Amino acid sequence: DTGVSQDPRHKITKRGQNVTFRCDPISEHNRLYWYRQTLGQGPEFLTYFQNEAQLEKSRLLSDRFSAERPKGSFSTLEIQRTEQGDSAMYLCASSPGHYSNQPQHFGDGTRLSIL
Amino acid sequence: ELKVEQNPLFLSMQEGKNYTIYCNYSTTSDRLYWYRQDPGKSLESLFVLLSNGAVKQEGRLMASLDTKARLSTLHITAAVHDLSATYFCAVDMEGGGADGLTFGKGTHLIIQP
Repeated sequence: DTGVSQDPRHKITKRGQNVTFRCDPISEHNRLYWYRQTLGQGPEFLTYFQNEAQLEKSRLLSDRFSAERPKGSFSTLEIQRTEQGDSAMYLCASSPGHYSNQPQHFGDGTRLSIL
Repeated sequence: ELKVEQNPLFLSMQEGKNYTIYCNYSTTSDRLYWYRQDPGKSLESLFVLLSNGAVKQEGRLMASLDTKARLSTLHITAAVHDLSATYFCAVDMEGGGADGLTFGKGTHLIIQP
């Protein structure tokens, strides 16, 4: 049973650098979501895709954040010109789609640390 | 704006005791989710509650949903140490079960032997 896979698990970078994270959803899932989780908080929704279409991106934290899912399979989340406040766990989730009774299935996340 | 509030945020209890975690949300929604998160790990789905009056049970955990009161509860029966974790409730922003979720801040549960 292959779940949601995220890479890398940890990323340490200097302030001002660009970073990109990858997410591979469960293969039959149409919907893919990105969340950010900071210490002691619940996950915060950022954006999601239905196949290759990005259906919601108004909750991306700033214009430094962007996401793609070019072929409707894996997705990438990029943060440009990283800042200290970007340090967090970035979670990816997938689900079968609209009006499914299944929950969103989460990956193990990418922990980003900005020096 | 949808708001989800959990209480308590921190709970320390002894093995064998019962307790309830509460989840209130601010707008109508037709489904509610409970997740568990262990330290340094991702979120594990526990329950999906799809309608008013829904009740689901798995082992020592039981979840219920009252959509009229906009309230869900997670009840722990005869707690054991393995249930120590952070528990989140989450509500669908737009309905239909396929949009972004709004999470509560989580209830950090410690069960002491």
